[in-house]
Amino acid sequence: EVQLVESGGGLVQPGGSLRLSCAASGFTFSTYNMNWVRQAPGKGLEWVSYISSSSSTIYYADSVKGRFTISRDNAKNSLYLQMNSLRAEDTAVYYCARDSYGDCVVDYWGQGTLVTVSS
Amino acid sequence: QLVLTQSPSASASLGASVKLTCTLSSGHSSYAIAWHQQQPEKGPRYLMKLNSDGNHSKGDGIPDRFSGSSSGAERYLTISSLQSEDEADYYCQTWGTGFYVFGTGTRVTVL
Repeated sequence: EVQLVESGGGLVQPGGSLRLSCAASGFTFSTYNMNWVRQAPGKGLEWVSYISSSSSTIYYADSVKGRFTISRDNAKNSLYLQMNSLRAEDTAVYYCARDSYGDCVVDYWGQGTLVTVSS
Repeated sequence: QLVLTQSPSASASLGASVKLTCTLSSGHSSYAIAWHQQQPEKGPRYLMKLNSDGNHSKGDGIPDRFSGSSSGAERYLTISSLQSEDEADYYCQTWGTGFYVFGTGTRVTVL
């Protein structure tokens, strides 16, 4: 069974940093591209970042470019999101999401971790 | 600019059918999309990938009540025999080079 379990969310002050983690199991993590997607309270889904299976290709949404860094450790079956210079508008539930093999369709989602940016 | 447009809400009676629409922006009518369901207070769940020719492939465990179809720039999700657990937000998703796009979502209410 495919499982994606996020952790690392919490309350942080504006300008602060936070590192999210996603533990993957039930599939060969090293062969799948991965994403982070977020959802602000009461709002829709917003794609944040993409990383290819080998980490050779990385993309970011304009809203987080230069502040967030996506990475992965295939030996540990883990995906990460380093978030710096956090703003109130980054407050959201952050989901780890797997792309289907060889495609750009998200086919599995984690349960999410809440990040609250507030003083 | 690649944009997905969805109606904010839809409703139908228990046991009836509802058809949701996701419209691709001009110049992008050949794009495939995916449909995702988000029940209240839960993470999203992948339903299916839907191609421009109407062919679709569903995710693991998705009931036959969920089906997809296409016409031009419009992508449809039809839910038949509506059940109470189908009350949820439904999002379409597509992608370009270097980015992914989500529609604004349609909230389905089961009457």
